[in-house]
Amino acid sequence: SQQGEEDPQALSIQEGENATMNCSYKTSINNLQWYRQNSGRGLVHLILIRSNEREKHSGRLRVTLDTSKKSSSLLITASRAADTASYFCATIPQGGSEKLVFGKGTKLTVNP
Amino acid sequence: NAGVTQTPKFQVLKTGQSMTLQCAQDMNHNSMYWYRQDPGMGLRLIYYSASEGTTDKGEVPNGYNVSRLNKREFSLRLESAAPSQTSVYFCASRVTGGRNEQYFGPGTRLTVT
Repeated sequence: SQQGEEDPQALSIQEGENATMNCSYKTSINNLQWYRQNSGRGLVHLILIRSNEREKHSGRLRVTLDTSKKSSSLLITASRAADTASYFCATIPQGGSEKLVFGKGTKLTVNP
Repeated sequence: NAGVTQTPKFQVLKTGQSMTLQCAQDMNHNSMYWYRQDPGMGLRLIYYSASEGTTDKGEVPNGYNVSRLNKREFSLRLESAAPSQTSVYFCASRVTGGRNEQYFGPGTRLTVT
């Protein structure tokens, strides 16, 4: 069963705008990760946030984690057409180090 | 480094045929994984191998077998393909004890008619 659920399922914005995607999960976690998948390609790891962290930055990416609400958000600032992709959150449930559980993804389209 | 490589890229099978999907990584990672991705879905774990010589079932193992041939290679076999196995298959690897981030191959698009 899927642990994470992303919201929205699809998002269309203009270049230069910010994009925010949300992820909710069901059980306690060790960490939460965000991946990007360009059309027809494999997934690429973007950022990892541990359960004891609340916010993390990497370049134009900002991830927040609220373990009390079992939710995370991914913010992409100043979006570019090259950011067009699907974005997935994935969690490592507490006590499970091998099984990464993915959500269904948010399809982001950035219009030039 | 090539990272994670998968062969073939595309395959069409008839119901009942068998085939093996190949995966190799050159990053000296201990753990390797097979996932399937269906339209509108995230990835679902089929099997994984935490180290050479060990394999374990994931969420959707029925109809599949795996072999961890050595540290580099992890193959996925469909013994008798069914239309429900039409999917895109991804192999991934990670270093044990690391940050849990996984590195993915480019995928194999399989159609079973």
